[in-house]
Amino acid sequence: EPEVTQTPSHQVTQMGQEVILRCVPISNHLYFYWYRQILGQKVEFLVSFYNNEISEKSEIFDDQFSVERPDGSNFTLKIRSTKLEDSAMYFCASNRDGNEAFFGQGTRLTVV
Amino acid sequence: AQSVTQLDSQVPVFEEAPVELRCNYSSSVSVYLFWYVQYPNQGLQLLLKYLSGSTLVKGINGFEAEFNKSQTSFHLRKPSVHISDTAEYFCAVSDRPNTGNQFYFGTGTSLTVIP
Repeated sequence: EPEVTQTPSHQVTQMGQEVILRCVPISNHLYFYWYRQILGQKVEFLVSFYNNEISEKSEIFDDQFSVERPDGSNFTLKIRSTKLEDSAMYFCASNRDGNEAFFGQGTRLTVV
Repeated sequence: AQSVTQLDSQVPVFEEAPVELRCNYSSSVSVYLFWYVQYPNQGLQLLLKYLSGSTLVKGINGFEAEFNKSQTSFHLRKPSVHISDTAEYFCAVSDRPNTGNQFYFGTGTSLTVIP
């Protein structure tokens, strides 16, 4: 069964460093998302991406964040200058027809 | 904007007992409703969804949910729980069909099945 894959599963980085979280969505899907879940809190929407551009973003998705689909298969989330409060589980999701999102296993980002 | 309320943050229940996890949403338009499960150290897995049609939807692992438009609810039920059902359960709503729709999640309900 096709699935969304995310790498790495766990990333530790120093405050102020840049990180890139990688996702491979399901191949025939058209819509891509990043969500995050701070420990003990709810899953929060960051950004959605369609037709090679951002279709929607939340207030959390400020200038330190960016997304890219560099090669038609990968979908990346870059955090330019990480802060302690960026520590969270980051989930990638993809969607073919707008009706159901398939989520990856997540990348746990720890900023120290 | 949409919002989702899960009234119970933690639900302990004995094995083989029935369980109901509550979810209410607010929306001024038609919505799609979902329940996702998150097992420890894993991602989100779809349990079931309501898009249209019958208001009673059945999902994986013996779960079902009923869409009640007048009460704006989408409660999740299982008649007899197993130890393996211990997990975090998230209700989610989406309001834009056939587009890159955003999913709004509730705060989650932690289900603990007691042997």
